[in-house]
Amino acid sequence: KAGVTQTPRYLIKTRGQQVTLSCSPISGHRSVSWYQQTPGQGLQFLFEYFSETQRNKGNFPGRFSGRQFSNSRSEMNVSTLELGDSALYLCASSLPLAGDYNEQFFGPGTRLTVL
Amino acid sequence: AQTVTQSQPEMSVQEAETVTLSCTYDTSESDYYLFWYKQPPSRQMILVIRQEAYKQQNATENRFSVNFQKAAKSFSLKISDSQLGDAAMYFCALKSTGANSKLTFGKGITLSVRP
Repeated sequence: KAGVTQTPRYLIKTRGQQVTLSCSPISGHRSVSWYQQTPGQGLQFLFEYFSETQRNKGNFPGRFSGRQFSNSRSEMNVSTLELGDSALYLCASSLPLAGDYNEQFFGPGTRLTVL
Repeated sequence: AQTVTQSQPEMSVQEAETVTLSCTYDTSESDYYLFWYKQPPSRQMILVIRQEAYKQQNATENRFSVNFQKAAKSFSLKISDSQLGDAAMYFCALKSTGANSKLTFGKGITLSVRP
């Protein structure tokens, strides 16, 4: 079974531009979460989508948004890029099993550099 | 709010020796899950081990085991018979029960293994 895939793997943008990152979950997984990883702040939760609905959201400005499609693929968008948005963006997917815990499987990440 | 603290940014261990990575956390919830994730250089994050807070018995997975002290809110990872492939960044993480809870990570610790 294919793992979580993220595209593109690397991206260079300039300040003020916008960017869209894509995540394809493992087949059958319906929950997709996004994280931002930086050396200073570590891993921070951005948002989670389940069945095309945002189920949870972290403490990020409105410039960060996301969506999920009917095939569970997800995109996140960052508008008006700032230098501080340079980071590794990780996507993770999980099964919609009953109960509270579903293991999250991570993708390789998209490395975004803002110049 | 829940927090996870990993106070040691780096550790080193000799191959075949044992190393313990420390983690403390804080949460007001009585039921939650704790995790250790491994992120090798330029590779995907993978789950190493997990612990349900309601279980008193410490989790073990082959060479990996945890020391879970619920009252002290401490969750350390012990790696026995360290191998070169164990070199990676290790993250401690916490997730409360409930569909809308999020995964909170510590800042991570970089483990190097000396041959």
